Amino acid sequence: GQQVMQIPQYQHVQEGEDFTTYCNSSTTLSNIQWYKQRPGGHPVFLIQLVKSGEVKKQKRLTFQFGEAKKNSSLHITATQTTDVGTYFCAAHTGTASKLTFGTGTRLQVTL
Amino acid sequence: DSGVTQTPKHLITATGQRVTLRCSPRSGDLSVYWYQQSLDQGLQFLIQYYNGEERAKGNILERFSAQQFPDLHSELNLSSLELGDSALYFCASSIQQSGNTIYFGEGSWLTVV
Repeated sequence: GQQVMQIPQYQHVQEGEDFTTYCNSSTTLSNIQWYKQRPGGHPVFLIQLVKSGEVKKQKRLTFQFGEAKKNSSLHITATQTTDVGTYFCAAHTGTASKLTFGTGTRLQVTL
Repeated sequence: DSGVTQTPKHLITATGQRVTLRCSPRSGDLSVYWYQQSLDQGLQFLIQYYNGEERAKGNILERFSAQQFPDLHSELNLSSLELGDSALYFCASSIQQSGNTIYFGEGSWLTVV
């Protein structure tokens, strides 16, 4: 079935370095959402992108939706230890109701 | 606090047994989703209900079933449990059937021994 792939699976950076995770789909998406799951926690909604080429910013986080609406990225500038966690993209696939999560990118930040 | 309540938080049971996980959605939300997250794994979509009716189904095993009641709370029933069913089971809710943000509960940790 429809899959939403994310790369990398894991990234370890030093505090202050930038980080980017990429989300790719083989089919066109109506929208894409991003969630963050802290270690031991539950996924928390960050943002939703709807329009082709859309770019949204939340402080140090920049989210992009590709022109073809098949890929998306999350970029964190100058990471902090509070950014540690797993970042998931999610998209409605198959039936409109089914929200499929990407494979996730686990971010580790050390001092 | 997302407003989604799941019980129990932790559960340890033996192989072959049956358990029921319970979820109360956020006030006003009509849609409930169930996801399974195994250790170091992603979020696997199991099933979704909207206002009492099944709306979407993922790779949910035949040994698993769910329902949403008139008061909108939902239960996920897991039977003939196997070791591989050990996982964190999340419930999430949203207002509409699709296209909007979903809010996750804190999850129910199931350990099958």
